[in-house]
Parts: sequence; C-alpha cells; structure tokens
Amino acid sequence: AQKVTQAQTEISVVEKEDVTLDCVYETRDTTYYLFWYKQPPSGELVFLIRRNSFDEQNEISGRYSWNFQKSTSSFNFTITASQVVDSAVYFCALSESRYGNKLVFGAGTILRVKS
Amino acid sequence: NAGVTQTPKFRVLKTGQSMTLLCAQDMNHEYMYWYRQDPGMGLRLIHYSVGEGTTAKGEVPDGYNVSRLKKQNFLLGLESAAPSQTSVYFCASSYSWQGGETQYFGPGTRLLVL
Repeated sequence: AQKVTQAQTEISVVEKEDVTLDCVYETRDTTYYLFWYKQPPSGELVFLIRRNSFDEQNEISGRYSWNFQKSTSSFNFTITASQVVDSAVYFCALSESRYGNKLVFGAGTILRVKS
Repeated sequence: NAGVTQTPKFRVLKTGQSMTLLCAQDMNHEYMYWYRQDPGMGLRLIHYSVGEGTTAKGEVPDGYNVSRLKKQNFLLGLESAAPSQTSVYFCASSYSWQGGETQYFGPGTRLLVL
C-alpha cells in the first residue's frame, strides 16, 4: 500500500534559520515518483520538485535542497536561510508507476517563518 | 495561458442542496483530477479522467459524480450536499498518465455545507 507520512504538523523558525521538513513514504513498487508541493497562504498549490526512484542524487535549487534516501524511504526538504515568504504548507506526495499518475499526499507540514 | 481555472471560488450550501464545480484547462491535457483537501489529511483523490468521455473513481468518490464531456472541462457534482463535504476542492490536470508526470493545480474552491 502506498502511504506518505509527514510527522511534523507545524514548525516555527526565525528568519535566516535553516529548516528541514521530513517525508517518509511506503511503497511496494520499484518504480515510483516523489514530489514536493508548496501551498502559500493564498491557497494555490505550487509544484517544487519531482524525483524518480532510480535517481538518488540530491537536488539543490537556490535555498532549497532535497535529500532522497531509499534506504530509509525518506525524501526530506531543507530550506536554507529561511525567509518570511517561505511560510506555507508543504506537501510531500507519491505516485507509483503501476497506478498511473495518481498522487498520494502526506498530511502536510505548516511552516511559519517569523521575522 | 490561464492554466487550470476553477469556478466558483467559494460557495455556501445547505444540507441537501446540489451544485456543480467547474474545472477548465487550456493546456490541452488529456488527464484531469479532482481532489479534496481537509485539515490534517492532505489532498485525497475523488475522481479522475483519462480522456474525454471517461471517468474513474479515486480514493474518496462517495457522494460525488463527475463528467468529462469536453476535453478541456471536468465537472464535479454534489447531488445532495452533506456537512462532511465541507472542504477545499482542487482540480488538476496533466499531459500524460505516466507516473511522475507533473500535475498542475487550479486555485481551489472552498465549499461550506451547513
């Protein structure tokens, strides 16, 4: 069964602190895809990154970085030098190739960055 | 390009009333999805469509119906609204059904059922 767990319900940090959002997934498939989406206070969902199960390279994009570890079934997201504009709900999601493009989402982590 | 749009943005219904949520996309995507978002539960798939004239059930389909008469539109209907259907509804679309294809989301519709 596919499942995504984001154990951190809410995180509060002060601006310029680094913060890591955890994502743990369960799947029986060997081919799967992991995503992170951002939902700012305005409510829309913004795609951040996609990773496939065969690519364990870490990804860095500006202040954002992602650590994918199959050994621990984790796909964690780190924001370096956080800013107030990073305040949002962040969702991790999983799709398995045998189920096409159906996404299973985690419950989300609320990130509050205070100035 | 407007991307994915949803109508209405916000609606209040009384228990037992019906309504239709409209999703439209201008990206010529074949695949469309309806999700609901509830606090502490993330987004859950209600129904999806793999092409014009086709629909399929997702994880939480009960109480909803859908139709895809035109490729660009995907309608979500509530025949007899219940308070448990109070939620934020998101529509999404993707170019292909291949796993890992990015889904593009609409801005959401906030529905309150009293």
